[in-house]
Amino acid sequence: EADIYQTPRYLVIGTGKKITLECSQTMGHDKMYWYQQDPGMELHLIHYSYGVNSTEKGDLSSESTVSRIRTEHFPLTLESARPSHTSQYLCASRRGGTAQYFGPGTRLLVL
Amino acid sequence: GESVGLHLPTLSVQEGDNSIINCAYSNSASDYFIWYKQESGKGPQFIIDIRSNMDKRQGQRVTVLLNKTVKHLSLQIAATQPGDSAVYFCAEIPTQGAQKLVFGQGTRLTINP
Repeated sequence: EADIYQTPRYLVIGTGKKITLECSQTMGHDKMYWYQQDPGMELHLIHYSYGVNSTEKGDLSSESTVSRIRTEHFPLTLESARPSHTSQYLCASRRGGTAQYFGPGTRLLVL
Repeated sequence: GESVGLHLPTLSVQEGDNSIINCAYSNSASDYFIWYKQESGKGPQFIIDIRSNMDKRQGQRVTVLLNKTVKHLSLQIAATQPGDSAVYFCAEIPTQGAQKLVFGQGTRLTINP
């Protein structure tokens, strides 16, 4: 079992609200990732980080932002949620040369 | 560009039979490949990995085969059980660039009783 956690697991929120999805890992992994995934579809990388104070945009354009102030913490923020942001958000981490380990995901519904 | 694609989006097998899930990749520079299992409502779970200096690797009831000549990866599940029902993703890590995982589309495996 991978020690990577995401909160909340489920979130229903109104349009225009600011939200932060939390992701934490206790494995000391330097690399962390955020993916967006619609049900039954492929994963799309939206942000990644190679270490503290390092953040990069992924392959899928996203209106979200991330920060990496501590190794174990990689929160994702949406300043103004919209219905088009409705999706599942998956956080993952890895150490160089190893597989990525995923958290359980956050299911977001924006009304 | 880089791409990892799966041959079939769905696969249906009888309980107890062996399952084979295929994956084609396009980046010959990739040196590390991973299979993930994703059950409904959960995050992808690591199953097995293989490096490019190997052709075959076995785990518990699973075997991954790598054919670098035709850039093909497969996952074999022996004696398929109902709990194996899930979407299976292959992923590769190219040796060049940012070393981000490139995921395939996914294959949904359904087990018939």
